Amino acid sequence: AQTVTQSQPEMSVQEAETVTLSCTYDTSENNYYLFWYKQPPSRQMILVIRQEAYKQQNATENRFSVNFQKAAKSFSLKISDSQLGDTAMYFCAFAPNAGKSTFGDGTTLTVKP
Amino acid sequence: EAGVVQSPRYKIIEKKQPVAFWCNPISGHNTLYWYLQNLGQGPELLIRYENEEAVDDSQLPKDRFSAERLKGVDSTLKIQPAELGDSAVYLCASSTGTSLLDTQYFGPGTRLTVL
Repeated sequence: AQTVTQSQPEMSVQEAETVTLSCTYDTSENNYYLFWYKQPPSRQMILVIRQEAYKQQNATENRFSVNFQKAAKSFSLKISDSQLGDTAMYFCAFAPNAGKSTFGDGTTLTVKP
Repeated sequence: EAGVVQSPRYKIIEKKQPVAFWCNPISGHNTLYWYLQNLGQGPELLIRYENEEAVDDSQLPKDRFSAERLKGVDSTLKIQPAELGDSAVYLCASSTGTSLLDTQYFGPGTRLTVL
């Protein structure tokens, strides 16, 4: 069974600063996908960024980028120029090529003005 | 474009009572997911539909939970009877296809409290 571990239950960052959220996973699969989701307080969960394991290049979406280390089974999320609207719970998720997603327990990020 | 709609948003019931949740996915989305999210944890998949067919229900506690998506559009998740441990947020999501590259769009969830 796959497991996803987010070792930082809570983090905070000053507005405009950069923060990195950690995620590690355990799997015997070779082909899979990794995701970061954002769940703002009382709002819907939305996809932030995804990475296909066969791609070596790290995914980037505007201020959000990942550091994907396949050998280390690590998938961290970097948020640059943090904004107040980035305050949310962030979930890392793993999905094998033909299976369902497994989510971590989340990291609560607070951006302080 | 309307997002995924869920109702009710909140539900409080006493244990042993039945409860039902409704989800209307984004128009044109063939795949529908029901997730359970306990407080402080990530979502756990309960069931996934491709059109009207349940293709993954291995995590659905079938002794008390049931789901249907009769016409391949909206879906209902039912619990009968509810137990104290069922208190959680029930999330519905939908996507256009079955590939993991197809973005899942989540609804606001139904927060269930069982007393």
